[in-house]
Amino acid sequence: GQNIDQPTEMTATEGAIVQINCTYQTSGFNGLFWYQQHAGEAPTFLSYNVLDGLEEKGRFSSFLSRSKGYSYLLLKELQMKDSASYLCAVRPVGKLQFGAGTQVVVTP
Amino acid sequence: GAGVSQSPRYKVAKRGQDVALRCDPISGHVSLFWYQQALGQGPEFLTYFQNEAQLDKSGLPSDRFFAERPEGSVSTLKIQRTQQEDSAVYLCASSLASSSGGYTFGSGTRLTVV
Repeated sequence: GQNIDQPTEMTATEGAIVQINCTYQTSGFNGLFWYQQHAGEAPTFLSYNVLDGLEEKGRFSSFLSRSKGYSYLLLKELQMKDSASYLCAVRPVGKLQFGAGTQVVVTP
Repeated sequence: GAGVSQSPRYKVAKRGQDVALRCDPISGHVSLFWYQQALGQGPEFLTYFQNEAQLDKSGLPSDRFFAERPEGSVSTLKIQRTQQEDSAVYLCASSLASSSGGYTFGSGTRLTVV
C-alpha cells in the first residue's frame, strides 16, 4: 500500500522561507508531485521530481531522495497569496496518491 | 477546451437520491481520473480511465459508485442511493498519457447529501 506523510500546518511570515517535508512509502515509484490548493479551488501543479536532486522553478523548489523516500518543497520570499494547502503526491503506477496536505499560513 | 470542466459546481441531494457528475477533460488528454476530497484532507483516488477503458477502479468505495467514459472524452461519475458519507468534493483530472507535467484538475463538484 501507500503511506504519504506531511505536516498538518506550518506558519511563516511574509518574505520568509518555509520548507514542507514529505515522506512516503509506496509499492512502486514513478514520480513525486507537489500541488498547491487554495480553499475551495482545484489543486494546481507546482513541481515534479522523478530523479534525485533539486528542481527549481522561480520561488519554488522541490527536492527528492528516492533512497530515503523523502521530498521537500521550499517556498522562498513568501507572499500572502502563498497561504494555501500544499499537497505531496506520489505516482506508483498510473494514478497519483496524495498526502493529507500541509496548510501554510503566511502572516504579515 | 482550455481546462477541465466539471458540472454541476454544487449539488445538494436528498439521502437515497441518485446523482450524476460530469467531467469534460482537456481535448486530447488520454487519461482521466476521479478523486474524492473530504474537508481538510487530500484527494483520494476513485478511478482512472485511459481513453474509454477503465483501467483502475480500486478506489470506488462501494458498488453504489459507477464511472464511465464511453467515447474516451467526457466522463460521468454516478452515485446511486446517496448517503451522508458521500458528501465531499469530487475532483476530475486529466493528463496526456505520458505526461510528466502533472495532472490538470477541474474545479470539482461539491456534493452535499442531506
